[in-house]
Amino acid sequence: DVKVTQSSRYLVKRTGEKVFLECVQDMDHENMFWYRQDPGLGLRLIYFSYDVKMKEKGDIPEGYSVSREKKERFSLILESASTNQTSMYLCASNPSGTGKTGELFFGEGSRLTVL
Amino acid sequence: GQSLEQPSEVTAVEGAIVQINCTYQTSGFYGLSWYQQHDGGAPTFLSYNALDGLEETGRFSSFLSRSDSYGYLLLQELQMKDSASYFCAVQYNFNKFYFGSGTKLNVKP
Repeated sequence: DVKVTQSSRYLVKRTGEKVFLECVQDMDHENMFWYRQDPGLGLRLIYFSYDVKMKEKGDIPEGYSVSREKKERFSLILESASTNQTSMYLCASNPSGTGKTGELFFGEGSRLTVL
Repeated sequence: GQSLEQPSEVTAVEGAIVQINCTYQTSGFYGLSWYQQHDGGAPTFLSYNALDGLEETGRFSSFLSRSDSYGYLLLQELQMKDSASYFCAVQYNFNKFYFGSGTKLNVKP
């Protein structure tokens, strides 16, 4: 089974802190994604990466950056956390090849609270 | 840009059939996916349509009409455990996915 593991299920940080959210997948998938989920807004794409060191902005990249130094790991960085970044963060991956390109595999999520 | 519309909430009784509709606007369309998410859990993949027509997976079926920019998820023989949120998502430009705001399904005994 594909496993996408997010390093922290719950985090509490203070305004202005630098926050790292880590995500690791074990199925050699090319594509990895970071979404945030807020009530009534669904899942909104922050960044995605289609290869090592490659990244593209999603719909709401402001205030975030990402890093993908190894194929299996995709990190989301909040350079200076703010209260409006309190949210559930979901990491996902999927392969670029044919057959399963329409399926995203999600991690369990990281619920971040910024005080 | 992309847009998706789906109902915010649907209620149905155990054993019934329910249909959740999704209309979309996007460029570079590749396909439409459906995900289920229970409270506190991660979204899990249910179904994907790249071509027009019906895809059946057990009690769940998904339909796509590319010409109408429309799809639906059909849940049959509803069970209490089907109470969850259901999201449609368009795959566009090959490797991007845009999600709707979700439909909360309440299954009552």
